[in-house]
Amino acid sequence: GAVVSQHPSRVICKSGTSVKIECRSLDFQATTMFWYRQFPKKSLMLMATSNEGSKATYEQGVEKDKFLINHASLTLSTLTVTSAHPEDSSFYICSAKVSGDSYEQYFGPGTRLTVT
Amino acid sequence: GNSVTQMEGPVTLSEEAFLTINCTYTATGYPSLFWYVQYPGEGLQLLLKATKADDKGSNKGFEATYRKETTSFHLEKGSVQVSDSAVYFCALSGIPHSGGYQKVTFGTGTKLQVIP
Repeated sequence: GAVVSQHPSRVICKSGTSVKIECRSLDFQATTMFWYRQFPKKSLMLMATSNEGSKATYEQGVEKDKFLINHASLTLSTLTVTSAHPEDSSFYICSAKVSGDSYEQYFGPGTRLTVT
Repeated sequence: GNSVTQMEGPVTLSEEAFLTINCTYTATGYPSLFWYVQYPGEGLQLLLKATKADDKGSNKGFEATYRKETTSFHLEKGSVQVSDSAVYFCALSGIPHSGGYQKVTFGTGTKLQVIP
């Protein structure tokens, strides 16, 4: 099946620094990738939709200047958390949609971000 | 807007017990319904899906029936195994986004622990 990887799996950073998380589709091309945030005991919250070669579409309430998304190729999207603060600590999950498939998304294993 | 409500966990069962995880939804139109499973340390995987009323999705011994009259999509398995221990997410995809894909709305997840 389609495989999506994320790197790093865990990252600890100091408050005020920036962190980049990579999401890669390993065996398929993904014109659309999604970034989610998962809070403890809460559902996945869609943060933004990333389309290859164009600007990301952010959900209401998500700061686009804080969560920078780049989808430079058909197999790679990156999420950069800028000037991270402890409240940004969370589990970030990406998913990728196979081109032409209307609904099925393949999820990465997630990245645990801890901001100290 | 769309929403998914699923029973809070954790659910602890003995091996070979019967499993039911309740899921109800609110959506306009005719959404597609999904169950995803997240094993420890891994990303979400699609477990089963149903795209129209009265459809039954099934996989790996799990099944769920799309009940439009009760807006439910309960997950069941007749005999659980230790290897089924994971977090289960009910989800729906609703009205197509302008970008041609359907946004997925997730429930909060239910942790299942199966003990030998």
